Amino acid sequence: QVQLVQSGAEVKKPGASVKVSCKASGYTFTGYYIHWVRQAPGQGLEWVGWINPSSGGTYYEQNFQGRVTMTWDTSISTAYMELSSLRSDDTAVFYCARDHGASYYFFWGQGTLVTVSS
Amino acid sequence: EIVMTQSPATLSVSPGERATLSCRASQSVSSNLAWYQQKPGQAPRLLIYGASTRATGIPARFSGSGSGTEFTLTISSLQSVDFAVYYCQHYTNWPLTFGGGTKVEIK
Repeated sequence: QVQLVQSGAEVKKPGASVKVSCKASGYTFTGYYIHWVRQAPGQGLEWVGWINPSSGGTYYEQNFQGRVTMTWDTSISTAYMELSSLRSDDTAVFYCARDHGASYYFFWGQGTLVTVSS
Repeated sequence: EIVMTQSPATLSVSPGERATLSCRASQSVSSNLAWYQQKPGQAPRLLIYGASTRATGIPARFSGSGSGTEFTLTISSLQSVDFAVYYCQHYTNWPLTFGGGTKVEIK
């Protein structure tokens, strides 16, 4: 069965960077895009961008451009999202999700809480 | 960027009643519209894609309709497990965007 397992919670200081991992199993990793979605506490869902694990191509939402980098390691079926220059308003749960051919998400990771605090 | 607007923000419904949630797109998204349910501490759960196709394992009491800019999610007879926040999302182009959510609460 398809599973996405994310790395654990992180606490970072303002200005630091965080790298969240998303390990995929149960399907061909290079066959589907991995997307990342942010959810601040008590708030809605915000799309961050995607990575194509087949080509390495990426697309980042404009609000995150310049601060986000998505990478992948096919050998361990893992996608990564790194967010730099962290601010307190980056405190959020970050989810990875696999697309379904089209970009809606049946499969989600469990979420990773990133807390930015001095 | 396509802006997705959901209404109402909160919907108070008694168990067994019908719930109707709305989602409007700022420009046409054709039928490239998905609905999700989210409960506290959980990842979103896909309910509907293609505006009206139920995802695998979703009960028949959930139905979606609409195309273009106006969409509706209907829960025909609310059960206790259905009280949650519901989001719509378009996937017609980049960037993908979500609506702000509708919280369905017990009346």
